[in-house]
Amino acid sequence: SQTIHQWPATLVQPVGSPLSLECTVEGTSNPNLYWYRQAAGRGLQLLFYSVGIGQISSEVPQNLSASRPQDRQFILSSKKLLLSDSGFYLCAWSRTGTGNTIYFGEGSWLTVV
Amino acid sequence: SQELEQSPQSLIVQEGKNLTINCTSSKTLYGLYWYKQKYGEGLIFLMMLQKGGEEKSHEKITAKLDEKKQQSSLHITASQPSHAGIYLCGADGSGNTGKLIFGQGTTLQVKP
Repeated sequence: SQTIHQWPATLVQPVGSPLSLECTVEGTSNPNLYWYRQAAGRGLQLLFYSVGIGQISSEVPQNLSASRPQDRQFILSSKKLLLSDSGFYLCAWSRTGTGNTIYFGEGSWLTVV
Repeated sequence: SQELEQSPQSLIVQEGKNLTINCTSSKTLYGLYWYKQKYGEGLIFLMMLQKGGEEKSHEKITAKLDEKKQQSSLHITASQPSHAGIYLCGADGSGNTGKLIFGQGTTLQVKP
């Protein structure tokens, strides 16, 4: 069976510090990978989407970047965090192709202080 | 761009009562997904609907997609405290690309 893990679960970072959130998927190959952010009052917003290694689509302009160094690894980064980057970050995956169910990880709480 | 609107935004029901949550799209839906979320946790997949008029059930939860594929409803029969949480509908915002957009969510509380 397939599983998805993301870490850390909780993070408190000062403004201006770097960020790295990691996500890995097991039990499947060549998945589509996603990073979503859930901010209070703003719903769930798609940040990045990847269909393969090194292939990243950015959905909204922001202070964040994503990388996919391996087939089943997706990393969300920032060089300098802003207060507005605070939120709940969710990694997700689906089988390659379209029209497939998207499965979510446990989420990571980021508080920028 | 496509938008999903959920109603109501929040709901408080007595245990044992039935309830319905609606999700309306501004454009034709290529796939409609329902998820449940406990606050501060990941989303749990409930059901996916793709065909107009389609209806699926899992335990006491039934989801329907209307014939025009622009509105979906989630119905819970005989609600229990375990049904409490945030319900989110999601849809492919770009036309079968696999990138989901989501409604704002409906928060459900079930009073024992």
